[in-house]
Amino acid sequence: AQKVTQAQTEISVVEKEDVTLDCVYETRDTTYYLFWYKQPPSGELVFLIRRNSFDEQNEISGRYSWNFQKSTSSFNFTITASQVVDSAVYFCALSEAYLGEINAGGTSYGKLTFGQGTILTVHP
Amino acid sequence: DTAVSQTPKYLVTQMGNDKSIKCEQNLGHDTMYWYKQDSKKFLKIMFSYNNKELIINETVPNRFSPKSPDKAHLNLHINSLELGDSAVYFCASSQHRGGYSYEQYFGPGTRLTVT
Repeated sequence: AQKVTQAQTEISVVEKEDVTLDCVYETRDTTYYLFWYKQPPSGELVFLIRRNSFDEQNEISGRYSWNFQKSTSSFNFTITASQVVDSAVYFCALSEAYLGEINAGGTSYGKLTFGQGTILTVHP
Repeated sequence: DTAVSQTPKYLVTQMGNDKSIKCEQNLGHDTMYWYKQDSKKFLKIMFSYNNKELIINETVPNRFSPKSPDKAHLNLHINSLELGDSAVYFCASSQHRGGYSYEQYFGPGTRLTVT
């Protein structure tokens, strides 16, 4: 079974601090995707990034960066120079990516398994 | 243009009633989903449809019945509402290509309150 763990329930920082949100996952699938979503106070879920299990390259997008390490089953998210607008709940998620997993007995094709979420509060 | 839309945004109703939530996506995606977010913010999948065919049906009470009239629409009907059904329900869509599924885009959510 797939599982995603975000051990940090809540993080509080002051503006301009760097902050890292941890994500650890478990899966028996050989092909999978990892995601991060942001849920601001307004409630919508905003897609941030998708990472393929075959691609361990780190990614940077502006103040956001992601570190994927298959050896430790982790997909951590760092916000550099945090801003008040970064205050939100951040979810890490995992999905079985490949239809071929169905043929191998998988039944959760496309299903997102979410972590518990990390509430990030950035104070001015 | 809103990519994934849901109606209504808020739904307040009494126990025992039947209600529906509608979802539409204009992204041209072939797969749609329903997720439930409880009061502790935990998100869990309920159903998924691919090209109008049910492909994921998690352990959900029979009182919940999804219907997909076409690829762009996925509705959720709930019979005999119970207090425990109070939650935010999110619709999502994604595209499957070459046997792979890609990121899901979510609707704004429907906050259901059962009194």
